[in-house]
Amino acid sequence: DGGITQSPKYLFRKEGQNVTLSCEQNLNHDAMYWYRQDPGQGLRLIYYSQIVNDFQKGDIAEGYSVSREKKESFPLTVTSAQKNPTAFYLCASRRWDSHLSMNTEAFFGQGTRLTVV
Amino acid sequence: LAKTTQPISMDSYEGQEVNITCSHNNIATNDYITWYQQFPSQGPRFIIQGYKTKVTNEVASLFIPADRKSSTLSLPRVSLSDTAVYYCLVGPMNTGFQKLVFGTGTRLLVSP
Repeated sequence: DGGITQSPKYLFRKEGQNVTLSCEQNLNHDAMYWYRQDPGQGLRLIYYSQIVNDFQKGDIAEGYSVSREKKESFPLTVTSAQKNPTAFYLCASRRWDSHLSMNTEAFFGQGTRLTVV
Repeated sequence: LAKTTQPISMDSYEGQEVNITCSHNNIATNDYITWYQQFPSQGPRFIIQGYKTKVTNEVASLFIPADRKSSTLSLPRVSLSDTAVYYCLVGPMNTGFQKLVFGTGTRLLVSP
């Protein structure tokens, strides 16, 4: 099955620790995105990547880091510098449709719920 | 990227048609309008996308007036399972990958 997989589904972190959230896609999509969602709020963009070995900051990048060493993978590290990391994290991807000469819609993973204890 | 404005919440009853309007006054010439649906504790999923006039699929219709400064997502005969948050996104789709910016969305509650 093609899709986008986030793991783990639930994650607990002690204050002061770094933690890495996994996002893997086998859709051969070029672009990948990380979002944060707080209860009752919309999605806020953390980082996005359009191509391997390249990524751009979104609106709330402070306290987060990413890498894009492989097309299929876009892990997000929540560092100890992130003051309020408890949230629902969503990863998405999309591709360039060369026939239509436009981007496709975004496909999302099922999310990782991170809790700081 | 064009700023979008949607109602924070809407209420409806099963079997009714629901129309959610999104305002995007500064939409650019090459911007498309895309709607996503999100259920609690899940990632959003694509519903419909359009550029002008009307687009219809098996789930919804999207109405876009000639000036494109607003758009309306129409859900025919909603059921309880349509209770979700609906996001309107406006941005270019044919100029390379851009940021995907989600607003706060419209929380739709469908009651029996």
